[in-house]
Amino acid sequence: AQSVAQPEDQVNVAEGNPLTVKCTYSVSGNPYLFWYVQYPNRGLQFLLKYITGDNLVKGSYGFEAEFNKSQTSFHLKKPSALVSDSALYFCAVRDPGGNNLFFGTGTRLTVIP
Amino acid sequence: DAGVIQSPRHEVTEMGQEVTLRCKPISGHDYLFWYRQTMMRGLELLIYFNNNVPIDDSGMPEDRFSAKMPNASFSTLKIQPSEPRDSAVYFCASKRAMNTEAFFGQGTRLTVV
Repeated sequence: AQSVAQPEDQVNVAEGNPLTVKCTYSVSGNPYLFWYVQYPNRGLQFLLKYITGDNLVKGSYGFEAEFNKSQTSFHLKKPSALVSDSALYFCAVRDPGGNNLFFGTGTRLTVIP
Repeated sequence: DAGVIQSPRHEVTEMGQEVTLRCKPISGHDYLFWYRQTMMRGLELLIYFNNNVPIDDSGMPEDRFSAKMPNASFSTLKIQPSEPRDSAVYFCASKRAMNTEAFFGQGTRLTVV
């Protein structure tokens, strides 16, 4: 069975500091991993994905994520946080043979001015 | 492209009434998904279609829920009769092909009183 875990419900970071939102996954076979962001009263917006290739994936709005197979992790990172990055972030995994995305419980990121 | 369009944005109905949620996927996308988001259960896949055909409806909670996709540009999710525990945000998403990312609509916030 496929699943992702986001161990932190809430992450607070000061504006300008680097941010990390954690995600670990469990999947049989090669994982297809995604990060989405949800702003208040909005749908989910795609940030980036890992299918294959380089372990460091670059996405929208300056975000990047590092795929680590040995640690089964796919942490989301940004070198310098903006107040506008404050939102709910979801990690998701899809197995290669299916189409369903299994979402984590979400991490609320708050960037403090 | 206008993205995935859902209507209505908000729906308040009385218990026992029929509710119909609507979705227009992005043109050219072969896959359409219906998700439900609640505080308790997070994001759950209800059903998805490929080329207008339902592929996996194992997430549909019970017989009160039904979904149709009569053509490539329109899908409905119907709840009859509705119950207070159906209150949630319902998202529609579409994607072009199997290994691509899904794009989400802004959701329909359903409140059953």
